[in-house]
Amino acid sequence: GEDVEQSLFLSVREGDSSVINCTYTDSSSTYLYWYKQEPGAGLQLLTYIFSNMDMKQDQRLTVLLNKKDKHLSLRIADTQTGDSAIYFCAESTHGNNRLAFGKGNQVVVIP
Amino acid sequence: DVKVTQSSRYLVKRTGEKVFLECVQDMDHENMFWYRQDPGLGLRLIYFSYDVKMKEKGDIPEGYSVSREKKERFSLILESASTNQTSMYLCASSGGQGRSYEQYFGPGTRLTVT
Repeated sequence: GEDVEQSLFLSVREGDSSVINCTYTDSSSTYLYWYKQEPGAGLQLLTYIFSNMDMKQDQRLTVLLNKKDKHLSLRIADTQTGDSAIYFCAESTHGNNRLAFGKGNQVVVIP
Repeated sequence: DVKVTQSSRYLVKRTGEKVFLECVQDMDHENMFWYRQDPGLGLRLIYFSYDVKMKEKGDIPEGYSVSREKKERFSLILESASTNQTSMYLCASSGGQGRSYEQYFGPGTRLTVT
């Protein structure tokens, strides 16, 4: 079955880099996603990575995927106060409409 | 841009009431989902639908039912609301061209059952 694990809380100073980690168990995962949820809002897709990639960069965001260890990370460079949110990783497998979500990681940016 | 709307942002209902939560998407997506979100538990899938009039149970369907009479609309029904159904309810949709597994979320409905 699918199981996605995340740590729960991260505090970071404005301007520093923040790294959020996620582990998953389903080796047949084909897509892995990072979602952001700002206070009082729904989830917004930040970025995704195909399982045949090991890195993806998108402006201040860097996603690293270690398939061997089933480990996904999101690095946010130059963290801003607007990055304060809950971040969810999620996985899907080919032909499966469902996503399996982690429990989320609360990031608090200190000015 | 994909838009997923939910009928209410905040809702307060009494125990035993029948509650309808409505979700509408405007991108002709095949798949629609209902989740509930609780602190420390993340998102848990209640029901999903991959076509009109089709539905599948998620991980926590007990106490809920759904209806999908039109492609753009997916309703979550609490037949007899209970206090343990106080939660944030999130609707999502996916499908169409491109990344068909990517889900687009509505803003959520915070339901309080007293």
